Amino acid sequence: EVQLLESGGGLVQPGGSLKLSCAASGFDFSIYSMRWVRQVPGKGLEWVSAISGGSHTTHYADSVKGRFTISRDNSKNTLFLQMDSLRAEDTALYYCARRGIHLWFDLWGQGTLVTVSS
Amino acid sequence: EIVLTQSPATLSLSPGERATLSCRASQSVTNSLAWYQQKPGQAPRLLIYDASNRATGIPAKFSGSGSGTDFTLTISSLEPEDFAVYYCQHRDNWPLIFGGGTKVEIK
Repeated sequence: EVQLLESGGGLVQPGGSLKLSCAASGFDFSIYSMRWVRQVPGKGLEWVSAISGGSHTTHYADSVKGRFTISRDNSKNTLFLQMDSLRAEDTALYYCARRGIHLWFDLWGQGTLVTVSS
Repeated sequence: EIVLTQSPATLSLSPGERATLSCRASQSVTNSLAWYQQKPGQAPRLLIYDASNRATGIPAKFSGSGSGTDFTLTISSLEPEDFAVYYCQHRDNWPLIFGGGTKVEIK
């Protein structure tokens, strides 16, 4: 089955760190660019970060630049998001998504919830 | 940075009615626009890409149109499963931006 499965979310204090994972299955993970998108519960979607298939290119939203790092391990079909210096405003459901053959987000995980609070 | 403005914020309609959703870009994105549907508790789902192409498995009741700065998503006849939030998104340049969403609710 073609799917993405996020993990690693949880409760963390402001200033803390968390590393999210996204396990891909059912497709050739290494040839697809991948993205992280977040959503504050009840609010809209916000693109967070992107990485090319071979990890040569990465992009970040200004709101997370310098604090978050996207990476991937193609040998393990896994996407990561290292989140440092977390703030209350980073609280959200974090989705990983695949950029499909038509260059849009054609496959999404179910999300993992990150809560930043003291 | 391109801004996508969706209108209306909420659309109250009855099953069987036609829904017309708008997405306006602050500058031209040519036809580089997609529409997603999100139901409560679910991840978004790609409906329309490149302004007017239906994604795999999307029924013909969903159609997209427009180019440049003005885009429309039309649902020809609403069924109960279509009541959801709809987002537009562009990919013309970085950062990738989503519109604020339109909630289609049952009247």
